[in-house]
Amino acid sequence: ETGVTQSPTHLIKTRGQQVTLRCSSQSGHNTVSWYQQALGQGPQFIFQYYREEENGRGNFPPRFSGLQFPNYSSELNVNALELDDSALYLCASSFTGTLGGYTFGSGTRLTVV
Amino acid sequence: AQTVTQSQPEMSVQEAETVTLSCTYDTSESDYYLFWYKQPPSRQMILVIRQEAYKQQNATENRFSVNFQKAAKSFSLKISDSQLGDAAMYFCAYRSARDTDKLIFGTGTRLQVFP
Repeated sequence: ETGVTQSPTHLIKTRGQQVTLRCSSQSGHNTVSWYQQALGQGPQFIFQYYREEENGRGNFPPRFSGLQFPNYSSELNVNALELDDSALYLCASSFTGTLGGYTFGSGTRLTVV
Repeated sequence: AQTVTQSQPEMSVQEAETVTLSCTYDTSESDYYLFWYKQPPSRQMILVIRQEAYKQQNATENRFSVNFQKAAKSFSLKISDSQLGDAAMYFCAYRSARDTDKLIFGTGTRLQVFP
């Protein structure tokens, strides 16, 4: 059973640039969620994808967007990066309807300078 | 909107001793789920224990148990026989039974374990 893999592990970008983060879901999982974890804070829900469509969104602006692919892998795209976007981005996969069956990746640490 | 509060930024415990981490939450819903996650330096969130709100019995997983007080909206985690490997950030999380799989996390408690 494979876990959740995120790439890259670390990334440095300049303010105003665009970034794409990637996530490979655990085998058998059909739902993927993305979270932003600022330093010293708990993760904040960005959005969730199920069957390649957005299925719930947190309080994040439209410049945060995502994709889910037929193989259930996913991307998080952030446009017009701001300094406050510096955070750990966590991906979690699950199978819809299974309680608590979330598998988290180790995250991508994004630094915006 | 639901909120989760962890009022202890840091806790410490001696190896083999017992420690309790606190969590309170606010919701108007009657059906929901509560979780404790552990985040070691590897950054990966690991599920420690979960509780369904409709169950009165407190969940237990080996050395980990919870004290779930639904009326008080309290969900504390007790770690017995603490081990050095228990040192990590611990997050309390809430999930609505009728929403998406969205988890609402608290701000976390850093647990240090001393030999």
